[in-house]
Amino acid sequence: NAGVMQNPRHLVRRRGQEARLRCSPMKGHSHVYWYRQLPEEGLKFMVYLQKENIIDESGMPKERFSAEFPKEGPSILRIQQVVRGDSAAYFCASSPPVRPDEAFFGQGTRLTVV
Amino acid sequence: QKEVEQNSGPLSVPEGAIASLNCTYSDRGSQSFFWYRQYSGKSPELIMFIYSNGDKEDGRFTAQLNKASQYVSLLIRDSQPSDSATYLCAVNRGAGGTSYGKLTFGQGTILTVHP
Repeated sequence: NAGVMQNPRHLVRRRGQEARLRCSPMKGHSHVYWYRQLPEEGLKFMVYLQKENIIDESGMPKERFSAEFPKEGPSILRIQQVVRGDSAAYFCASSPPVRPDEAFFGQGTRLTVV
Repeated sequence: QKEVEQNSGPLSVPEGAIASLNCTYSDRGSQSFFWYRQYSGKSPELIMFIYSNGDKEDGRFTAQLNKASQYVSLLIRDSQPSDSATYLCAVNRGAGGTSYGKLTFGQGTILTVHP
């Protein structure tokens, strides 16, 4: 049973470009979360999605950031017009329907904006 | 006041000793509590969860919860150098099936186990 799969593992973008981060949840998991870990800061919740629905986006920056979890395919976290402050590790987590509060994390995507 | 507070450490213990990691939280509505281990450059790994007051043991790990004091701890017995990592405390407002994985994390405690 594969774990939460994220790609790419490392992503370098120039300021102003777009970054797309992908996440496939564990098999049988229907809840997907995105977290961000900035240098010297803890993990911060960004958004919670189920298939085709954004359930809670209270942690998402108001501009440039968006997330989706389509009916088919992985969840996507999209960052438009990246700035240096977006450099961080972005983790995706998933949880099963029977225990939705138990989140299992993927390996993360380390975004570097140059 | 931070929602979840941990002593950042580093906490250094000799091999074979008991490592004690502490966490306090501010939201009295918190119902479920988690400990994650994160090795440098890696992802958080869930090692323990606890919902009820008291102790919960799993192998060398014991989680302790005191909701009245808003305090949760993790004990690691017979510490090994491979336990050296950052330990993250996380809390969730809901309990079990009534909530979802929106976790509030502490800053983490760096644990070093020296031979």
